[in-house]
Amino acid sequence: QKEVEQDPGPLSVPEGAIVSLNCTYSNSAFQYFMWYRQYSRKGPELLMYTYSSGNKEDGRFTAQVDKSSKYISLFIRDSQPSDSATYLCAMSPDRGSTLGRLYFGRGTQLTVWP
Amino acid sequence: DGGITQSPKYLFRKEGQNVTLSCEQNLNHDAMYWYRQDPGQGLRLIYYSQIVNDFQKGDIAEGYSVSREKKESFPLTVTSAQKNPTAFYLCASRAGRNTEAFFGQGTRLTVV
Repeated sequence: QKEVEQDPGPLSVPEGAIVSLNCTYSNSAFQYFMWYRQYSRKGPELLMYTYSSGNKEDGRFTAQVDKSSKYISLFIRDSQPSDSATYLCAMSPDRGSTLGRLYFGRGTQLTVWP
Repeated sequence: DGGITQSPKYLFRKEGQNVTLSCEQNLNHDAMYWYRQDPGQGLRLIYYSQIVNDFQKGDIAEGYSVSREKKESFPLTVTSAQKNPTAFYLCASRAGRNTEAFFGQGTRLTVV
């Protein structure tokens, strides 16, 4: 079992839809969670990060963490064609021998059509 | 502007050659990482370094080597021992534990 599981999609939605992207993880030591957006042939850019359970909102984006279920989500409201990209979740432990290492999901490919 | 610079953007390697990919950051970050990205496989960790003069192997270190002589630089050498080096290589850095990582724009390596 991989440490981080993410459905690769592809996911295709109409403009204006609410998008839900999810990752599950198995390591309870993971404490820090990040979401990245990657356009084709570009480096990933950080969208959001959070250290605690609950919700964090930034514009049209909401990151949600449920540590009891080992489940994180990214919601995109009023999706736009410019949101079409691959979305990667990432997480890291805050202690132990793997200190400093990041663990990534495979990424979910999203297409928002006009 | 603070950030991570990878060079070159495109690189072509002949069979049996070693090539070095450059990664420089001016963010004063302690930790630096090299990932390889292949279609449909996500990011795979090659090497990472948490401090100058120290680095650890990731999941796919065979055929690669790194050095960390300066805080701002973490070059990756793809050796002739790497049998399938064609891929998109990404460098990242972090300030430390429980901080977010920032990525460069990548180097696309092709074997010709």
